[in-house]
Amino acid sequence: QSVLTQPPSTSGTPGQRVTIPCTGSTSNIGSNSVNWYQQVPGTAPKLLIQSDDQRPSGVPDRFSASKSGTSASLTISGLQSEDEAVYYCASWDVSLNGHWVFGGGTKLTVL
Amino acid sequence: QAHLVQSGPEVKKPGSSVKVSCEASGDTLNNYAINWVRQAPGHGLEWVGGITPIFDTTNYAQKFQGRVSITADKSKDTAFMELSGLRSEDTAIYYCAREFVALGYAAFDMWGQGTLVTVSS
Repeated sequence: QSVLTQPPSTSGTPGQRVTIPCTGSTSNIGSNSVNWYQQVPGTAPKLLIQSDDQRPSGVPDRFSASKSGTSASLTISGLQSEDEAVYYCASWDVSLNGHWVFGGGTKLTVL
Repeated sequence: QAHLVQSGPEVKKPGSSVKVSCEASGDTLNNYAINWVRQAPGHGLEWVGGITPIFDTTNYAQKFQGRVSITADKSKDTAFMELSGLRSEDTAIYYCAREFVALGYAAFDMWGQGTLVTVSS
C-alpha cells in the first residue's frame, strides 16, 4: 500500500484532457513539494514535473500540475499516443526521520 | 552529457547479498545526493534510501533498515547499494537516481538505466 494515493488507471482519446489526482497527508504533500514522474514501459522513470508545478527543460507544456493542501494533480492536455505511460507522484515525507514516498502509479491508456 | 551508469543484472540465492553500483559519468557525485529506488515486477516505485556523498550522510527507508548499506566512492564518482538477507520479494529492478536540490524543493532529475536483481534458489 503506497503512502500517496493514485487511481490505478485512466484513459483518454487523442486530443482529450486527462487529470490524474494524488492524495497524501500533512506529513508529505501538505508540507513539501510534489514531483511527477513518467515511466514508459521498459524504461526508467523520467522527471515530468518538479516543485508542484514546474516543468523541467524539454517537457512539453501540454503537461501541467497543481497542488492544494494535501492533494496534487497532473493534467495532460491535447493527449497524444506517446503519452501512454505510468505516472507517479512523489513527495518528501517528514515522518520517520524523513523519507521519499511515491504514489502507486496511474497507468494512462490512450485509446 | 552526464548520465548514471549502473552495473549489470544479478542472480542471487536467498539469504545472500547483492551490491549494485551507479557511476556518475561526466559528472561528480559531490554536487548531488544519490538515491536508490526499486520496482518489483508489475509494481510501482519504492524508495530504498539515499546518500549525500559530500557529507557522507545516509538515509534509509525504515523497511530496509539493517539490511541495506549505501556508500559512495567519491574518487570514482560511484555510489553503491548493498542489500543483504535477500529473499524472493527483493526481486526487482533497482534504479539509482540523482537528487537535484534547489531552493525549497528537491527532485530526482536523472535516473540510471536500472539493474535487475533476481533472487531465486
